[in-house]
Order: sequence, then structure tokens, then C-alpha cells
Amino acid sequence: DTGVSQNPRHKITKRGQNVTFRCDPISEHNRLYWYRQTLGQGPEFLTYFQNEAQLEKSRLLSDRFSAERPKGSFSTLEIQRTEQGDSAMYLCASSWDSFSGNTIYFGEGSWLTVV
Amino acid sequence: AQTVTQSQPEMSVQEAETVTLSCTYDTSESDYYLFWYKQPPSRQMILVIRQEAYKQQNATENRFSVNFQKAAKSFSLKISDSQLGDAAMYFCAYRRTRGGSNYKLTFGKGTLLTVNP
Repeated sequence: DTGVSQNPRHKITKRGQNVTFRCDPISEHNRLYWYRQTLGQGPEFLTYFQNEAQLEKSRLLSDRFSAERPKGSFSTLEIQRTEQGDSAMYLCASSWDSFSGNTIYFGEGSWLTVV
Repeated sequence: AQTVTQSQPEMSVQEAETVTLSCTYDTSESDYYLFWYKQPPSRQMILVIRQEAYKQQNATENRFSVNFQKAAKSFSLKISDSQLGDAAMYFCAYRRTRGGSNYKLTFGKGTLLTVNP
């Protein structure tokens, strides 16, 4: 078990460009989450997948953001037409669904800097 | 909506001493989970300790223990015999047990813990 893997770990992009982050959850975890963390703040929920179905999207996830989880395995988070306000760390997490107390495991995060 | 408040942006402790990190939360639910997560610099966030609201007994994990006061909606973390490796950002988090969005964690802003040798 290699844990939750995210890449790239760091991305610097120019405003207006598109970026994509990838998350590989712990194998056999059917739940996958994306959170966003800015400096001085705790992580904020963005979206949730159960298998391949995206079941909730936060209002923080504007229409420039899209997340997918094809075949219920890895997930991608794409940000189109990036803005400086998108600069943050994007955290992926996964868990096994049986009850809500199950531990959620986090990846190391992907830092995005928009210049 | 649930909220989690950590009123101490930074704390410091001497190695081998004890430190307590504070957390308060607001919810109308009677059943929920509370967590403390540790986020070392540039490393992944890991779960330190978990408390189920229906349990009156405070959770303990080795040097880490909590003081859960349900009526006061308070959930503090005590770290005993502090070690240099305990230095990190600590987040308090809430998760409802039942109903919609019971998979979602709500985090506080965090407390940065420094351990002095």
C-alpha cells in the first residue's frame, strides 16, 4: 500500500492557462475527495466521488473546475483559464466506504502558483 | 452549517513537556466524529486521533489524548512528552455521522506547533 499519490507536486503556470492534477488513491478505496488549502487556512472541501460517480461539488468549485474519476480509479482535477485566486494546495484523499468514521487518507498535495 | 474554530494560530513547547491545543466547534447534530490531523511541512496530513461523540470516554493514542466536552462543544488535544517530530500544523476537524454529506470533513484553521530542543 503506497498511500495516496498526487502529481505534479508543484506547478507554476501563467494566468489564463489550463492545469491538470492527478490523484491515485489507495487501491480499493472507493471514495475519493478533493480539498483546497490556502495559506493560513484549513483544507476546504471541493468534491467527492464514490467509485466513478461525482456525488457532490462544493460551491467553491466554479465552472472552470472539472474533476473526473474514470472507472473509479485515479482522479483528475482540471482548472481552466487559471486565475491568481486559484493559487493554493490541492489535496486529494481517499477512504473505504463502510461508515462515516472510516479514516480518510490524504496525499501530499499539489501546489499551484498562478503568476 | 458546522464550524470548527482553533483559537491558537501558534503554540510552542519544550521538548519532553506537555502542550494542549484547543478546538471548539458548532453543530446541531448529536452524533458526529471529531478528529485531530497533523500536517508536517511538505508532508501529507495524517490522522492523530479520533473521537466519536456518543462515547463519553476520551480517546487516547500513546502520547496523544483528547479532552472532549460535548456540552461545551470543546475538543482539545494534549501531547505529552513532546518530541521534535511533533512539530507540525495541527488541524481539528468535524464529520457528521449520518445524513447527507457525512463523508465531508470540516476543518479549523490550524495551530502551528513548534517544539524547542
